[in-house]
Amino acid sequence: LAKTTQPISMDSYEGQEVNITCSHNNIATNDYITWYQQFPSQGPRFIIQGYKTKVTNEVASLFIPADRKSSTLSLPRVSLSDTAVYYCLVGDNNAGNMLTFGGGTRLMVKP
Amino acid sequence: EAGVTQFPSHSVIEKGQTVTLRCDPISGHDNLYWYRRVMGKEIKFLLHFVKESKQDESGMPNNRFLAERTGGTYSTLKVQPAELEDSGVYFCASSLYRDRGSANFGPGTRLLVL
Repeated sequence: LAKTTQPISMDSYEGQEVNITCSHNNIATNDYITWYQQFPSQGPRFIIQGYKTKVTNEVASLFIPADRKSSTLSLPRVSLSDTAVYYCLVGDNNAGNMLTFGGGTRLMVKP
Repeated sequence: EAGVTQFPSHSVIEKGQTVTLRCDPISGHDNLYWYRRVMGKEIKFLLHFVKESKQDESGMPNNRFLAERTGGTYSTLKVQPAELEDSGVYFCASSLYRDRGSANFGPGTRLLVL
């Protein structure tokens, strides 16, 4: 399984755009990139998934360069409620759903 | 649609005792997973059920842990006897499909072994 590296923590302010980058140098051809969000005292929650280029949904955007060795989760205009841990996961979408979580990035949004 | 529910939300037991955690997946989800985060560590996969069958139990730490899913609906995870290092948060997740973006997690059971 491809190992991922993310910043341990990030600080931001309300209304700003937050970009969290994840490195996955050993990503395999069949691997997808998936991001989960976890609030305190809750289980992880799926945010977005992509394979290449750009994916956007109502919550976030995911930017993946051509070499796919990294990806960036972009959260537009964050609010205090976006304070959470964000996990980047990489793996084969068709090889079962065993998720491998790393340390995640702890995002703190300040007023 | 009701989400994944777990019971109890918290459990405090003494070393050597037995604890049974329960997970009720989203109705119709054949795939059910158990994960856990022990103190200071990352969330780790324990096992995966497809209906009532264990598809992958490679993450189960030892034979003190027993997971069942009789009838392919709810699942239980029993720890017997519990040890101090079993303290942590136990998450259950379920999904209709097996792709990596479809797992719905429960709120977790916080287990403290004294």
